[in-house]
Amino acid sequence: KAGVTQTPRYLIKTRGQQVTLSCSPISGHRSVSWYQQTPGQGLQFLFEYFSETQRNKGNFPGRFSGRQFSNSRSEMNVSTLELGDSALYLCASSSGEYTQYFGPGTRLTVL
Amino acid sequence: QKEVEQDPGPLSVPEGAIVSLNCTYSNSAFQYFMWYRQYSRKGPELLMYTYSSGNKEDGRFTAQVDKSSKYISLFIRDSQPSDSATYLCAMSEYTDKLIFGTGTRLQVFP
Repeated sequence: KAGVTQTPRYLIKTRGQQVTLSCSPISGHRSVSWYQQTPGQGLQFLFEYFSETQRNKGNFPGRFSGRQFSNSRSEMNVSTLELGDSALYLCASSSGEYTQYFGPGTRLTVL
Repeated sequence: QKEVEQDPGPLSVPEGAIVSLNCTYSNSAFQYFMWYRQYSRKGPELLMYTYSSGNKEDGRFTAQVDKSSKYISLFIRDSQPSDSATYLCAMSEYTDKLIFGTGTRLQVFP
């Protein structure tokens, strides 16, 4: 089975812009979660989608949003980018047994 | 205080050593406990998964959970240079929301 894929792998944006990241889960997995990883804060949960509905949400501002499509693929959007949004954004998928498999991540740099 | 505490290391050991990695946590509602390995510039890779208390063994890896002490461990036997990576503990209640430790950087030298 193919693993979790994320596109793009690298992104450079400037402050104030917005960005959309994409994630394709493992075939058959219906739950997709997003995490932000930074050197200072480590891995932090952003949100989780299951069957196109947001099921859990972390403590991030409303500039961070996501959605899931009927084929389980997911996107996350960050609007009005700030320097502190520079991070590795990781997507993980789950088959429903609370174990999550991560993709390679999208490295976002905000200048 | 963070919900999950993990010594960041780095931990440097010779090849063949037994490595012990640990996490403590404060939320007694955690039921699922995981260990991930992350190589530089890669996504985390699931190593071990345990539900509730007890031990689980998989090859050179053993995971232990002691819910009464709110303490989890990962042991790596016969460590290899290829085990050099950051090891992350993670835990959750009955959800897909994982709470991670900060990660321990391990270096195994030949």
